[in-house]
Amino acid sequence: AQSVTQPDIHITVSEGASLELRCNYSYGATPYLFWYVQSPGQGLQLLLKYFSGDTLVQGIKGFEAEFKRSQSSFNLRKPSVHWSDAAEYFCAVVRTYKYIFGTGTRLKVLA
Amino acid sequence: SQTIHQWPATLVQPVGSPLSLECTVEGTSNPNLYWYRQAAGRGLQLLFYSVGIGQISSEVPQNLSASRPQDRQFILSSKKLLLSDSGFYLCAWSGTSGGAGDTQYFGPGTRLTVL
Repeated sequence: AQSVTQPDIHITVSEGASLELRCNYSYGATPYLFWYVQSPGQGLQLLLKYFSGDTLVQGIKGFEAEFKRSQSSFNLRKPSVHWSDAAEYFCAVVRTYKYIFGTGTRLKVLA
Repeated sequence: SQTIHQWPATLVQPVGSPLSLECTVEGTSNPNLYWYRQAAGRGLQLLFYSVGIGQISSEVPQNLSASRPQDRQFILSSKKLLLSDSGFYLCAWSGTSGGAGDTQYFGPGTRLTVL
């Protein structure tokens, strides 16, 4: 069955430091992969998505993600974190109409 | 541009009371519509999705039901709420190009507390 794992429940980084959020998926075919961000009490905002082609995907707010088929991973990165990046981040894989979400990683940014 | 609305934003209801949450989409036609529930520490769980008026698919057996009376309106209901129905409810829409990668766009959510 398809699944998404985000192994880090909480991550804390200092402002200006680099960030990597991990996402591993289980899917039999070529996956469609997404990263969303959720601020407290808000809906989800799409950061970026991967369908095919270039395995390094650029998104909004300076985020990027790299699809690695050999590792079944789609990790999210940002070279320099801003305090406003504090939020919860969700990775998702699509199966037909259905998104399968990971349990999320909550990011805390220290000033 | 497309926008998605949910109301109410916050709701506190007693156990056993009915529920009706509404979601509407503007700026698009014939969208796919989705209801998710987000419980603390458990990510998002797909509850229902709809590919057209009157067409509802349920993902998990539960105390809730969904309806789509109009093309861009999606309603989540319950006849009698349970404590376990508490959570953050998100509505989403996507296009219908038929590709598995149709991006889903989320509404602002409704925080439901059942006491």
